[in-house]
Amino acid sequence: QQQVKQSPQSLIVQKGGISIINCAYENTAFDYFPWYQQFPGKGPALLIAIRPDVSEKKEGRFTISFNKSAKQFSLHIMDSQPGDSATYFCAARGTSGSRLTFGEGTQLTVNP
Amino acid sequence: DVKVTQSSRYLVKRTGEKVFLECVQDMDHENMFWYRQDPGLGLRLIYFSYDVKMKEKGDIPEGYSVSREKKERFSLILESASTNQTSMYLCASSLQGLRGYTFGSGTRLTVV
Repeated sequence: QQQVKQSPQSLIVQKGGISIINCAYENTAFDYFPWYQQFPGKGPALLIAIRPDVSEKKEGRFTISFNKSAKQFSLHIMDSQPGDSATYFCAARGTSGSRLTFGEGTQLTVNP
Repeated sequence: DVKVTQSSRYLVKRTGEKVFLECVQDMDHENMFWYRQDPGLGLRLIYFSYDVKMKEKGDIPEGYSVSREKKERFSLILESASTNQTSMYLCASSLQGLRGYTFGSGTRLTVV
């Protein structure tokens, strides 16, 4: 029962471009929305996260946009670099317990 | 630096074998999780534990069991390995109440 839907499955962007990855959720009890970045041969690592009481959070070139009414959130990577090439996962956590539900993942390739 | 260590990076096992995947964390985290990662399916939760000797089923527990005899160690057991359990297995841990996970580097299991 996938409760977080992520798109696209793969994305190719030119260096300097903007990468956009989208996620949609169903459970209105989710209260925390992180994004994880995974390089080949490594486990996922927390990149940036947002709570639903704000509409946007920015950390360097990475921005999360959050639309509570539409139950959607997205990751924007500005000035994309080849070093950003990785798999990105969105996730969501309910108010009870600590478990995260993950999206399907997006494989991002940034061409030089 | 905080660490989640998975005992094997690569494993090849035969159908029907009993398989143990070990995970150790050095951060005194209460919560530990086992996920499997498959292309296009994202990270799916197998089992998790909020405390020593406690375990909870995730979304896909069939064919798996777990053991947590010490706080720092969480083991995933495949009672009788099957080819459809060929996958990347990721262990993660987190503090109670905190939302970020720390992941291990993963174990790529192939069942032949």
